[in-house]
Amino acid sequence: GAGVSQSPRYKVAKRGQDVALRCDPISGHVSLFWYQQALGQGPEFLTYFQNEAQLDKSGLPSDRFFAERPEGSVSTLKIQRTQQEDSAVYLCASSYSGLLQPQHFGDGTRLSIL
Amino acid sequence: ELKVEQNPLFLSMQEGKNYTIYCNYSTTSDRLYWYRQDPGKSLESLFVLLSNGAVKQEGRLMASLDTKARLSTLHITAAVHDLSATYFCAVDIYGGSQGNLIFGKGTKLSVKP
Repeated sequence: GAGVSQSPRYKVAKRGQDVALRCDPISGHVSLFWYQQALGQGPEFLTYFQNEAQLDKSGLPSDRFFAERPEGSVSTLKIQRTQQEDSAVYLCASSYSGLLQPQHFGDGTRLSIL
Repeated sequence: ELKVEQNPLFLSMQEGKNYTIYCNYSTTSDRLYWYRQDPGKSLESLFVLLSNGAVKQEGRLMASLDTKARLSTLHITAAVHDLSATYFCAVDIYGGSQGNLIFGKGTKLSVKP
């Protein structure tokens, strides 16, 4: 497809389990972003990649959160030892590197921790 | 700490009426974005405002940016039901290239017949 693809769309996990969320950006987009959106709130920045380099991870809430983009395309956000407060929608966005370009968002993964 | 504040957070309008959503931000930036989000869906880019005084229009929506006042507005003209959604503004704080976007909490718009 032409858009940003995220999988799974929904994920339910028990507290303490590890989860992995996948993002497939638009082909040719150099920049990739992860956001966390709590119910009724705006997205909050987690981390940013340019190609395979993770240039900013200042938004990751704890060391349980880890993101990678090893070949500069698909990215995975991993959450270890999940907790209930991790329940949220995780959005991935990509953009063509350079100025003047909006970020294109995927449909998100809705994560529920029981 | 950069803050992006939208108001109102909830807006109920009648079809055919006009209204303005406001977005204030607390630090210097000359790039501001407006997005639309339908329930259960992702964010759709509406406008990219790149300089002081920028004005963009698409259909019944018009967005403007005043970087000196650190204010952007989204004006709705003759609202129709299809405009019902949540609207977010976001500010790019990196300046040199698009990076970390800081979003407002969103304005949930409901247009009633």
